[in-house]
Amino acid sequence: EDKVVQSPLSLVVHEGDTVTLNCSYEVTNFRSLLWYKQEKKAPTFLFMLTSSGIEKKSGRLSSILDKKELFSILNITATQTGDSAIYLCAVEDSGTYKYIFGTGTRLKVLA
Amino acid sequence: KAGVTQTPRYLIKTRGQQVTLSCSPISGHRSVSWYQQTPGQGLQFLFEYFSETQRNKGNFPGRFSGRQFSNSRSEMNVSTLELGDSALYLCASSDRDSLASTDTQYFGPGTRLTVL
Repeated sequence: EDKVVQSPLSLVVHEGDTVTLNCSYEVTNFRSLLWYKQEKKAPTFLFMLTSSGIEKKSGRLSSILDKKELFSILNITATQTGDSAIYLCAVEDSGTYKYIFGTGTRLKVLA
Repeated sequence: KAGVTQTPRYLIKTRGQQVTLSCSPISGHRSVSWYQQTPGQGLQFLFEYFSETQRNKGNFPGRFSGRQFSNSRSEMNVSTLELGDSALYLCASSDRDSLASTDTQYFGPGTRLTVL
């Protein structure tokens, strides 16, 4: 059965810290991996990764995919209280058109 | 472009009732997916519609159904509500099948359903 596993489940850090969130997957027909940030409302898109080893970067956030080891990481440097959210990882299965989501990592950044 | 819209935003129902939720995708998007989100289970895929056809379905009972109209707007129906159906129901639209696809899902704000 296809699955996406995120770790850690939750994380508490202080402002200025760097965090690394993990996403591993077992999906039959991998097409892409997406990261989302969810605060109190709907998830908002962060990155889409399709190729191994190519880092995507947006400000203090960056992400990379390893298709051989079947995982991705999301890095956040110099964390701010506004980074507090649930970070979701999803993998698209090209055979079923499904997006399979992990349960998310709840990040809390303390001032 | 306007984002994905969902109505209503909040809903309170009692057990045994039925409910219909609505989702209007981003203009030009033909794929609409529905998800159920609960604290314990995370985001669970319900079904996806494309060009008025259900293209895929998750592991939910038959009480959960949906449809899509010619303008790509979609509705989701839950019959004979149970307490466990209380959740945030999210709709997402995608242009995944278009030539200029960004392969990204855009989520609506969700409908929070409470079943008493």
